[in-house]
Amino acid sequence: DIQLTQSPSFLSASVGDRVTITCRASQGVSNYLAWYQQKPGKAPRLLIYAASSLQSGVPSRFSGSGSGTEFTLTISSLQPEDFATYYCQQVNLYPITFGQGTRLEIK
Amino acid sequence: EVQLVESGGGLVQPGGSLRLSCAASGFKFSDHYMDWVRQAPGRGLEWVARSRNKASSYTTEYAASVKGRFTISRDDPKNSLYLQMNSLKTEDTAVYYCTRSSSSTRYFDYWGQGTLVTVSS
Repeated sequence: DIQLTQSPSFLSASVGDRVTITCRASQGVSNYLAWYQQKPGKAPRLLIYAASSLQSGVPSRFSGSGSGTEFTLTISSLQPEDFATYYCQQVNLYPITFGQGTRLEIK
Repeated sequence: EVQLVESGGGLVQPGGSLRLSCAASGFKFSDHYMDWVRQAPGRGLEWVARSRNKASSYTTEYAASVKGRFTISRDDPKNSLYLQMNSLKTEDTAVYYCTRSSSSTRYFDYWGQGTLVTVSS
């Protein structure tokens, strides 16, 4: 199975900050990687697919990059509604796997 | 508007069975792959199973942790997805989400609100 390791697991930041979350894959997944946002008690929401494509309706402050084994999710200027948990996901090989999550909290 | 509504969760004893349903609306269900994803309390996301569409011969995929115990199925005329769960274990306790895979990208672009399955004696 492809293991996805996110770093950091916990991040404290302030409104207006630029933050970056990294996802490393145990083997190459090409660009078959997505990022999801989940708020407490809610279902996840697709933010980025194919490593760098912005899902419809997602604010442009979210961006993704990377290919192969290393990927990043960047939020250019944190807004209050962005404090949530973020997960990466690979769909290159079965089983589909998710990272362990990065919890983003207000400093 | 795309909607996915899960039902069928509840409390079941270890070794028991449960059938989850997902009612889909607002899109052409038969065109899409559909998946189940679960989340144990306080834990991360775990993909459970996939049902491909008619064009892909309705083939299925499973996570190793559920293979042989869970069966994913669909009824396209009823716009419904199912997950039959047998031989349930305490570690199957989780919120189960029904998800739609985009017909173009195969990523999970819509999710239901989830249904809680608790396996406990």
